Amino acid sequence: SQQGEEDPQALSIQEGENATMNCSYKTSINNLQWYRQNSGRGLVHLILIRSNEREKHSGRLRVTLDTSKKSSSLLITASRAADTASYFCATDVNYQLIWGAGTKLIIKP
Amino acid sequence: DAGVIQSPRHEVTEMGQEVTLRCKPISGHNSLFWYRQTMMRGLELLIYFNNNVPIDDSGMPEDRFSAKMPNASFSTLKIQPSEPRDSAVYFCASSLKSLAVYNEQFFGPGTRLTVL
Repeated sequence: SQQGEEDPQALSIQEGENATMNCSYKTSINNLQWYRQNSGRGLVHLILIRSNEREKHSGRLRVTLDTSKKSSSLLITASRAADTASYFCATDVNYQLIWGAGTKLIIKP
Repeated sequence: DAGVIQSPRHEVTEMGQEVTLRCKPISGHNSLFWYRQTMMRGLELLIYFNNNVPIDDSGMPEDRFSAKMPNASFSTLKIQPSEPRDSAVYFCASSLKSLAVYNEQFFGPGTRLTVL
């Protein structure tokens, strides 16, 4: 598997439910970033978590980082229709920013 | 700030023609990135500049692709000659970046390129 691989590839939930996406990586990182991309638009930065941090919050978003497992999760609480988008993680490692393939999230009304 | 500005937003051209994509980064940012996104290959970094100097162009597919950044407020990505397989959405992003660490990147709206 590649660095910064998201899981699942696609997720469909009911509005109001929580959505959890995961990102796994292989080597030590400086930081890990999560981005959102709405259909037909550019990517928008959500959260950056540094390697010495374990959890960060931003509104309805919660990101955790487990460096021992080389994984991160993005939790969106109380999902809304507007959260429908693709979510990407990017890992800062060895002078490169490596992007995952993304998780496509669909929020059903 | 207006954010990262890209032009054109859409480009349709015929195989063999030259295509030039343009980007204006956010004022004050010292790094600029060109990405290509397709369904098959996802998001690919083509090249990035730091302080107007190309740092990593290992993602540039082949000699048909070239990028320049003549000053801190403007960059171009040129494809000559274009081929149908170049059809994709091309994003420009800018950032404040130190040598060792990648910070938050701000993306433009993208240019959707179709090569017939």
